[in-house]
Amino acid sequence: SSELTQDPAVSVALGQTVRITCQGDSLRSYYASWYQQKPGQAPVLVIYGKNNRPSGIPDRFSGSSSGNTASLTITGAQAEDEADYYCNSRDSSGNPVFGGGTKLTVL
Amino acid sequence: EVQLVESGGGLVQPGRSLRLSCAASGFTFDDYAMHWVRQAPGKGLEWVSGISWNSGSIGYADSVKGRFTISRDNAKNSLYLQMNSLRAEDTALYYCAKDTGAGVVGGAFDIWGQGTMVTVSS
Repeated sequence: SSELTQDPAVSVALGQTVRITCQGDSLRSYYASWYQQKPGQAPVLVIYGKNNRPSGIPDRFSGSSSGNTASLTITGAQAEDEADYYCNSRDSSGNPVFGGGTKLTVL
Repeated sequence: EVQLVESGGGLVQPGRSLRLSCAASGFTFDDYAMHWVRQAPGKGLEWVSGISWNSGSIGYADSVKGRFTISRDNAKNSLYLQMNSLRAEDTALYYCAKDTGAGVVGGAFDIWGQGTMVTVSS
């Protein structure tokens, strides 16, 4: 089982704001990174570090962290944001670990 | 164009071996750590192994430790994964991923290949 816990599924109305969370003790020490994966495609990095977006990622994506919880917020969700989202940080051994993933549905 | 292209996947019997390769282009390969991440059909992402820029630091998931070996050839801009004693539970799409940093610990994965499928079955 993953040391990072995510809700399996979240839904949001088109144009509304949604927060996807990731919980784990390692998040008290390490930042989380977030990945978007659409069906049949490779994951894409959307947030890393304190709150950094790679080139080409819309500014409606943002990241934050508090205690043992990291969050990915999509402000004004679009239909194309419907995807699986994975958080990533470190496990107790210091190795990378992924959360179980959250399926985002845009209604 | 920054690109990672995996190869070497296929159908293999339990207990046999397979070697995956990842060809990198469009960036300075030996400046960055590299990783293998896999995804079983219908399942989530699982980190498999990582290697620092100079091969000085290497890590493995407990599920593959002692069976898989990661390596890189910076002169050839290539990453490898030697997989021995394969099991049915190793069946997955294997992605090569570039780290944002030089070490195995601390970075994110900013570039991904399209993956190569490994199926372990008799």
